[in-house]
Amino acid sequence: QKEVEQDPGPLSVPEGAIVSLNCTYSNSAFQYFMWYRQYSRKGPELLMYTYSSGNKEDGRFTAQVDKSSKYISLFIRDSQPSDSATYLCAMAPSGAGGTSYGKLTFGQGTILTVHP
Amino acid sequence: NAGVTQTPKFQVLKTGQSMTLQCAQDMNHNSMYWYRQDPGMGLRLIYYSASEGTTDKGEVPNGYNVSRLNKREFSLRLESAAPSQTSVYFCASSEARKADALPWGWENVSNQPQHFGDGTRLSIL
Repeated sequence: QKEVEQDPGPLSVPEGAIVSLNCTYSNSAFQYFMWYRQYSRKGPELLMYTYSSGNKEDGRFTAQVDKSSKYISLFIRDSQPSDSATYLCAMAPSGAGGTSYGKLTFGQGTILTVHP
Repeated sequence: NAGVTQTPKFQVLKTGQSMTLQCAQDMNHNSMYWYRQDPGMGLRLIYYSASEGTTDKGEVPNGYNVSRLNKREFSLRLESAAPSQTSVYFCASSEARKADALPWGWENVSNQPQHFGDGTRLSIL
């Protein structure tokens, strides 16, 4: 079983829809949670970054972390065709002891298409 | 700002050939990483370098070597390319550093987000 599971989709929604993207994980040591967006033939770019549990909002994007359920979500409100991309969740354990060096564990990525 | 720059963008090799993928970052980051991305597999860590002069194996290091030439540059070498190494390779960098290297031992700083280049698409025939 992979440490991080993400539904690969593909997910197709109409413009203006609310999109929900999710990841589950098994490693209880994960403390840092990130969402990256990757356009075709480009590198991943950081979208959201949260530490421990709770919600974080940035414009149309909201990231949620539920550590008790080992479940994270990314919500996109009023989705636009420009949101069409692959979305990758990524996680890292606490840096205590200096052993993690920022190493990330990624989900497989969800392909999202927002059609006009 | 260029961020993370990877060269070349595309390459086709024959089985058994060798090649070095180059990566440079201009953000003065301490840590650098090499990943490969395959369909359905997400990003898998090949090697990483926590600081200049150090390198360590990641999840899938077999068949690869790395060199941290200086703080800016981190190269990935395929000594004898195999078709299984056909993939898209991404280099990344971050401010991550040893928590115990910080005077106040603040662990949060050790996991800053990674910034990625646009990848090298490598095909091995």
